[in-house]
Amino acid sequence: DADVTQTPRNRITKTGKRIMLECSQTKGHDRMYWYRQDPGLGLRLIYYSFDVKDINKGEISDGYSVSRQAQAKFSLSLESAIPNQTALYFCATSDFRASELFFGSGTQLSVL
Amino acid sequence: QQQVKQSPQSLIVQKGGISIINCAYENTAFDYFPWYQQFPGKGPALLIAIRPDVSEKKEGRFTISFNKSAKQFSLHIMDSQPGDSATYFCAASIDTGTASKLTFGTGTRLQVTL
Repeated sequence: DADVTQTPRNRITKTGKRIMLECSQTKGHDRMYWYRQDPGLGLRLIYYSFDVKDINKGEISDGYSVSRQAQAKFSLSLESAIPNQTALYFCATSDFRASELFFGSGTQLSVL
Repeated sequence: QQQVKQSPQSLIVQKGGISIINCAYENTAFDYFPWYQQFPGKGPALLIAIRPDVSEKKEGRFTISFNKSAKQFSLHIMDSQPGDSATYFCAASIDTGTASKLTFGTGTRLQVTL
């Protein structure tokens, strides 16, 4: 079983719809992250959380919200999806005071 | 503002050749420089990393060369193999103890041909 699991793997939605991407991990890490990958732009941080009660904005948080339901679960929501949110989304985890990120396999989101 | 510039965007190398990917950074406070490797349909995974107190780090066929004065670092893949075909991301961080500080480059898509 994967250590960092993202659901769904693929999602097609329409402009204006609310959508939630989910992430769960079995690595026992406290820290969780949501990244967005776009061709030619690399990986950009959307939100991160150091523990259940800690939520922080990344460099591109506008239009997104997150919820840390438990140490092992971190979800990303698009309240009203727009086409330029079409991208590959990754959840990642890291251990306390460690620099290495462990990524899930990604969710390909298309907003029509 | 792009803090880590990566080139080339794509690279084709013959089997057995040397693949070279370059990155340049602007912020002299960066003190941790990892490379991540991403295969199609998978998330990135840490490949190799270097800190600025050394000029080179080698792990198998993969080598990071670091030039602090030029603010540049590069990944060299010796004896490139088709299995190395992937997207490679360089990154840089200010606080080595916090992964949230990582700034990624734009990625290089490497194809190793037979």
